[in-house]
Amino acid sequence: AQSVTQPDIHITVSEGASLELRCNYSYGATPYLFWYVQSPGQGLQLLLKYFSGDTLVQGIKGFEAEFKRSQSSFNLRKPSVHWSDAAEYFCAVGRTSNTGKLIFGQGTTLQVKP
Amino acid sequence: NAGVTQTPKFRVLKTGQSMTLLCAQDMNHEYMYWYRQDPGMGLRLIHYSVGEGTTAKGEVPDGYNVSRLKKQNFLLGLESAAPSQTSVYFCASSTLQETQYFGPGTRLLVL
Repeated sequence: AQSVTQPDIHITVSEGASLELRCNYSYGATPYLFWYVQSPGQGLQLLLKYFSGDTLVQGIKGFEAEFKRSQSSFNLRKPSVHWSDAAEYFCAVGRTSNTGKLIFGQGTTLQVKP
Repeated sequence: NAGVTQTPKFRVLKTGQSMTLLCAQDMNHEYMYWYRQDPGMGLRLIHYSVGEGTTAKGEVPDGYNVSRLKKQNFLLGLESAAPSQTSVYFCASSTLQETQYFGPGTRLLVL
């Protein structure tokens, strides 16, 4: 069955430190991969996406993610975290068929210490 | 250009009451989706639509109905609300090949 796992429910990092959020997926074909961010009380905003091509993708707010087919992973990284990055982050996987449906991971809550 | 809007933002219902959540998008997207978000469970797809006049079940459709009479609107109905339907509901829209764009959410509390 198709699934997405975000192993870390909650992560705390110090402001200025680097960040890596993990995402593993189970999917029969090469998937489309997404990272979304959700600030408290808000909807989801797209950070970045991978459809094909270069496996290192750049997103908004200084985030990047790397698709590793051999590890079925799509980890999100940022070299230096800002206090405003505190939010919940969701990894999602999908594949264009005739529905555009996505499967979301459980989410990782990021706390940033001053 | 408002993107995806949801009405209402917050609602309290008593068990057994009915209500309709409205989602509207102004991006001319063919595809629309309703999700529910519960702590520790991510977003789960309730129903979706691949075009005007079409709807289909998602992962957790029981207790909900939907309609897509106009391309820009996607309605989610609860015929007889239950406490288990207390959640935050998100609507999203997309074109087939592209990103899903999300509304701000509706918080529903069923007592």
